[in-house]
Amino acid sequence: AQKITQTQPGMFVQEKEAVTLDCTYDTSDPSYGLFWYKQPSSGEMIFLIYQGSYDQQNATEGRYSLNFQKARKSANLVISASQLGDSAMYFCATTAQGAQKLVFGQGTRLTINP
Amino acid sequence: GAVVSQHPSRVICKSGTSVKIECRSLDFQATTMFWYRQFPKQSLMLMATSNEGSKATYEQGVEKDKFLINHASLTLSTLTVTSAHPEDSSFYICSASRAGGVNQPQHFGDGTRLSIL
Repeated sequence: AQKITQTQPGMFVQEKEAVTLDCTYDTSDPSYGLFWYKQPSSGEMIFLIYQGSYDQQNATEGRYSLNFQKARKSANLVISASQLGDSAMYFCATTAQGAQKLVFGQGTRLTINP
Repeated sequence: GAVVSQHPSRVICKSGTSVKIECRSLDFQATTMFWYRQFPKQSLMLMATSNEGSKATYEQGVEKDKFLINHASLTLSTLTVTSAHPEDSSFYICSASRAGGVNQPQHFGDGTRLSIL
């Protein structure tokens, strides 16, 4: 079965610094997707970035980039030039068994300090 | 703008009440939608996969008679928590994605906070 592990329960970063949120995954599927979502205190889930298992290049979306290391089965999220509004829970997720349903990690609570 | 709408955003009701939550895809047809449950300070746990025109697929340990799912159209799935009790209090959130396989991101509704007194 698919599994996502996020080993950082909480991260504290100074504003404008870059931050890396760790994510490792375990799957036996040759084709899978990796996703990062942001969940503010209001509860909604905001899609940030996607990486496909066959993608050769790391995904980037604005200030977000995904450091994809397939051999190590890691998909870390990098946020550059952090902002106060980046404070939230961040979830890494993967698709399971060729289906669109998501398996989530435990999440990392990111706090940006002014 | 939002591509998935979920309603209501918050429900407070007495024990024994049945509560219906709606999830709508706004600008695309969704043959499949997903329902998740999230307890405070925890991650999202998939409850069931809602399939348009057929029965939902429930995850292990989820009571299908307790959590009724109906997906009668390509843009609407409903979750009914039947005879809700305090232990059913939680954050329920739905998602849907455009067709295209595993590389399509799930778009989530804003969630429903259910509180059973």
